[in-house]
Amino acid sequence: EAGVVQSPRYKIIEKKQPVAFWCNPISGHNTLYWYRQNLGQGPELLIRYENEEAVDDSQLPKDRFSAERLKGVDSTLKIQPAELGDSAVYLCASKAGGTYNEQFFGPGTRLTVL
Amino acid sequence: AQSVTQLGSHVSVSEGALVLLRCNYSSSVPPYLFWYVQYPNQGLQLLLKYTSAATLVKGINGFEAEFKKSETSFHLTKPSAHMRDAAEYFCAVSAIQGAQKLVFGQGTRLTINP
Repeated sequence: EAGVVQSPRYKIIEKKQPVAFWCNPISGHNTLYWYRQNLGQGPELLIRYENEEAVDDSQLPKDRFSAERLKGVDSTLKIQPAELGDSAVYLCASKAGGTYNEQFFGPGTRLTVL
Repeated sequence: AQSVTQLGSHVSVSEGALVLLRCNYSSSVPPYLFWYVQYPNQGLQLLLKYTSAATLVKGINGFEAEFKKSETSFHLTKPSAHMRDAAEYFCAVSAIQGAQKLVFGQGTRLTINP
């Protein structure tokens, strides 16, 4: 079974530029998460999807961040414009239906904003 | 609200020695508790989870953890460390009710000395 796929793995941009991250969850997983992991910290939830619906986006900085999950499969997270403080690893995770199932994490995208 | 505190951002042990990584949680409802491991440039991998069944939980790679409600702790142990155990370890808590939303600790970097 293929795991959670993320691309790109690394991205370097200058501040004020836009950037987008892509995630392909495990097949059949209805729940998809985007996390941000700052250096030396644990991941923090940005947004959670149940199928195509964003059910928890309270931690997403909506002035510059946006996300979508068209058709309830792949998801894209966008930052526009990027700021220096956005440098972090952006992790995508997915989970099968049911409260008790494990979240499976992708390898992440490491963003560096110069 | 839920929170996790990991005591010690860095732990160093000798190969073959006992590994003890500490985690204390705070939760307003009975919690689910998790330990994840993160190897360099990889996503998080689930080591073990407590979901209100047995208080002593065995996971992969010889790790185990014990849920102690009276101490609000969920410490991770391994009797004998291997070089391959060197990684970052994260404790996480999730509310037992509702959808699974993980709140992570700041992580503990485990170093194994030969």
